[in-house]
Amino acid sequence: GENVEQHPSTLSVQEGDSAVIKCTYSDSASNYFPWYKQELGKGPQLIIDIRSNVGEKKDQRIAVTLNKTAKHFSLHITETQPEDSAVYFCAASRQTGNQFYFGTGTSLTVIP
Amino acid sequence: DAGITQSPRHKVTETGTPVTLRCHQTENHRYMYWYRQDPGHGLRLIHYSYGVKDTDKGEVSDGYSVSRSKTEDFLLTLESATSSQTSVYFCAISALGGTDTQYFGPGTRLTVL
Repeated sequence: GENVEQHPSTLSVQEGDSAVIKCTYSDSASNYFPWYKQELGKGPQLIIDIRSNVGEKKDQRIAVTLNKTAKHFSLHITETQPEDSAVYFCAASRQTGNQFYFGTGTSLTVIP
Repeated sequence: DAGITQSPRHKVTETGTPVTLRCHQTENHRYMYWYRQDPGHGLRLIHYSYGVKDTDKGEVSDGYSVSRSKTEDFLLTLESATSSQTSVYFCAISALGGTDTQYFGPGTRLTVL
């Protein structure tokens, strides 16, 4: 099956700085890569996703990049704010399957 | 927010007792999933359903069973709970499965003593 690795496991940044979280995947057939944000005591919420037919997608301060050749994708958060503090998960899935495979999470702390 | 509820939200039980967790959705989505979340492991799939009475195993299915008799309800049963099943359990739903957005419920914190 698919194996998704996520780094770093913890990340602290100053407010206003950028944060980058990286994930690698093993199954070249994976073609959908969502990112989830999980706040304390809540379920994960989708913040952005990318499909394998594009290399980059942006939504305000959040962007995701995908390198299919190297099998890695990254989440970029610019101008970080304290409310960005949360645990972020990457995931991968394939169109011909029904399962999602998640990374182990990154705990992001934005220091005011 | 997607209409997903989980019950109970918290449960403490003893080793060897049966436990059933319920996930209820109001979105009429075809796919439903049960995950467990543990420190250092992220979210791991236990079982999922792709329709009424249609289910399949995930990567950590041992010790768990599921049932889906109606589109809106997906039940997860621990036949004989063990301490290793202490975890936070999340239900998720998806309209189209593999490459479609998943929406997660609020979670159930289960403690097995």
